[in-house]
Amino acid sequence: GAGVSQSPSNKVTEKGKDVELRCDPISGHTALYWYRQSLGQGLEFLIYFQGNSAPDKSGLPSDRFSAERTGGSVSTLTIQRTQQEDSAVYLCASTMGEGNQPQHFGDGTRLSIL
Amino acid sequence: GQQLNQSPQSMFIQEGEDVSMNCTSSSIFNTWLWYKQEPGEGPVLLIALYKAGELTSNGRLTAQFGITRKDSFLNISASIPSDVGIYFCAGHLDYGGSQGNLIFGKGTKLSVKP
Repeated sequence: GAGVSQSPSNKVTEKGKDVELRCDPISGHTALYWYRQSLGQGLEFLIYFQGNSAPDKSGLPSDRFSAERTGGSVSTLTIQRTQQEDSAVYLCASTMGEGNQPQHFGDGTRLSIL
Repeated sequence: GQQLNQSPQSMFIQEGEDVSMNCTSSSIFNTWLWYKQEPGEGPVLLIALYKAGELTSNGRLTAQFGITRKDSFLNISASIPSDVGIYFCAGHLDYGGSQGNLIFGKGTKLSVKP
């Protein structure tokens, strides 16, 4: 499609389970970002991929969070041993390259931990 | 960490009224972006600003990059019901080079009464 695609759109899981969230960036976009948005809050940066460079993981809140980007395109955000405080909307964005280009967002995955 | 102070937190206005919201920071930014987010969707870019003093319009929306590079405002003229949503400011800090993640304000929730 033309935009950033995220799946699933909603995920409900039990505390302690692992979850995987997927992001398909806009075709040709080399930079990919993950953000977390808690209810009524702004967006919190998690991780940034740019081309083949090592990712900027400075925003990951704990070692239960990890992300990878295969083939420079699709990315997966994994949360292990989920906790209730992980409940949030996880948003993915992409841009064409380096620098301060505007980021284009997907519609997010709403994660609920029971 | 770096913060963007966005105000007001929420606004309740009558259709036809003008709206103004702003973001300030103690840090210098080299890009300011304004996004709108509607329920269940990701943020959508409204206006991007790249130079201090820059004033840019997009239809009924006008935004400015402050001269000090520490602030930005967004104005909406003659509001209509479909303007309802949460408006976020975001920016790239001036590290003297390119960097990835955006810093987001906490949003201004706009409600428009017909």
